[in-house]
Amino acid sequence: QQQVRQSPQSLTVWEGETAILNCSYENSAFDYFPWYQQFPGEGPALLISILSVSDKKEDGRFTIFFNKREKKLSLHIADSQPGDSATYFCAAREMSNYNVLYFGSGTKLTVEP
Amino acid sequence: DTTVKQNPRYKLARVGKPVNLICSQTMNHDTMYWYQKKPNQAPKLLLFYYDKILNREADTFEKFQSSRPNNSFCSLYIGSAGLEYSAMYLCASSTLGDNYAEQFFGPGTRLTVL
Repeated sequence: QQQVRQSPQSLTVWEGETAILNCSYENSAFDYFPWYQQFPGEGPALLISILSVSDKKEDGRFTIFFNKREKKLSLHIADSQPGDSATYFCAAREMSNYNVLYFGSGTKLTVEP
Repeated sequence: DTTVKQNPRYKLARVGKPVNLICSQTMNHDTMYWYQKKPNQAPKLLLFYYDKILNREADTFEKFQSSRPNNSFCSLYIGSAGLEYSAMYLCASSTLGDNYAEQFFGPGTRLTVL
């Protein structure tokens, strides 16, 4: 059972554009949503995260928008740079469950110069 | 140092043979996780250790074993590899005591079963 879904599977944008990566989930018990960034040959690394009590989280060029009612969230990458080219994973954590994360299948982002 | 190390980085195994993958961290994290990642699929949690307590997911219970001889090391053991085990295996660690603690990932071991 896929508890976290991501779209699109791949995305290409031009340098300077805003990339929008989408994520949805099914389990209402999820309370924490980290986004991980993975470059080839490396493991995923935490990029930005949001708690379910918030509807927006900003960190520089990266912003998470969260809609609890619709069980949807999105990662916006403003002023995209070629160095942002990577795979982005949305994840969700169920409260009080050993910090176990459920991951989406990822969005491969390519930023063309 | 927030590094999680995994050895080997690449592993070639024959069908029916055992496979042992190693993970280490020096952050004194109390919890270590193993994920399986196949192309175009989400990383799938296989099992995790909280301190010395092993928790295995129900659908992988009989397929994977693990040991944690000390706080820093954790292994993933496949007793008899099948073709379906070919995947990237990711190890991660975190501190359960911290709310919303970040999971730190290693670079992964790419296992190919022939």
